[in-house]
Amino acid sequence: DQQVKQNSPSLSVQEGRISILNCDYTNSMFDYFLWYKKYPAEGPTFLISISSIKDKNEDGRFTVFLNKSAKHLSLHIVPSQPGDSAVYFCAARGNAGNMLTFGGGTRLMVKP
Amino acid sequence: GAVVSQHPSWVICKSGTSVKIECRSLDFQATTMFWYRQFPKQSLMLMATSNEGSKATYEQGVEKDKFLINHASLTLSTLTVTSAHPEDSSFYICSATLPTGRKDYTFGSGTRLTVV
Repeated sequence: DQQVKQNSPSLSVQEGRISILNCDYTNSMFDYFLWYKKYPAEGPTFLISISSIKDKNEDGRFTVFLNKSAKHLSLHIVPSQPGDSAVYFCAARGNAGNMLTFGGGTRLMVKP
Repeated sequence: GAVVSQHPSWVICKSGTSVKIECRSLDFQATTMFWYRQFPKQSLMLMATSNEGSKATYEQGVEKDKFLINHASLTLSTLTVTSAHPEDSSFYICSATLPTGRKDYTFGSGTRLTVV
């Protein structure tokens, strides 16, 4: 039972355009969401997070949107750069503990 | 700041032997660390939660006698894969919760284990 899902395994975007990565969750007890960027054979790198009391959080080129009623969040990268090419994972944390549940990841390819 | 160092980054071992992976928080105290496993092209799956000074909490389906976790100090957690088999070959990653006031988590660089 996947509680966090990233339905798009891959996404290809032209440099300078917007990248939108989506994530859906089923557990209504999740109260904190995070996005990580990961390269092969490396640990994930934290990008941005959002609390369930907010619907938007912005940090430079990265913006995360949260739609609680739809149990959906998205990561927007504007403008996309070739260096953004990596696998992006969304993760969620429940209010009963501090463990993270990860989605399956989306491989983003930004073409020059 | 808030760096987690994981060693080794890559290890090959013979089937039946044991391998120890270390995870250290370099500039902060980590009361809780997490161990994940990632198979190729799959997500990170939580194996266990390691709490300093107490027994680890294992996720369903993870054999605690096979994956021994020790969190003896506030800066070090170890994962020992005992009697390794080829199916244990995977990418293992540790993570730590950060000091109070920060809600994100920091990850180690991972360990690629290959059992031959």
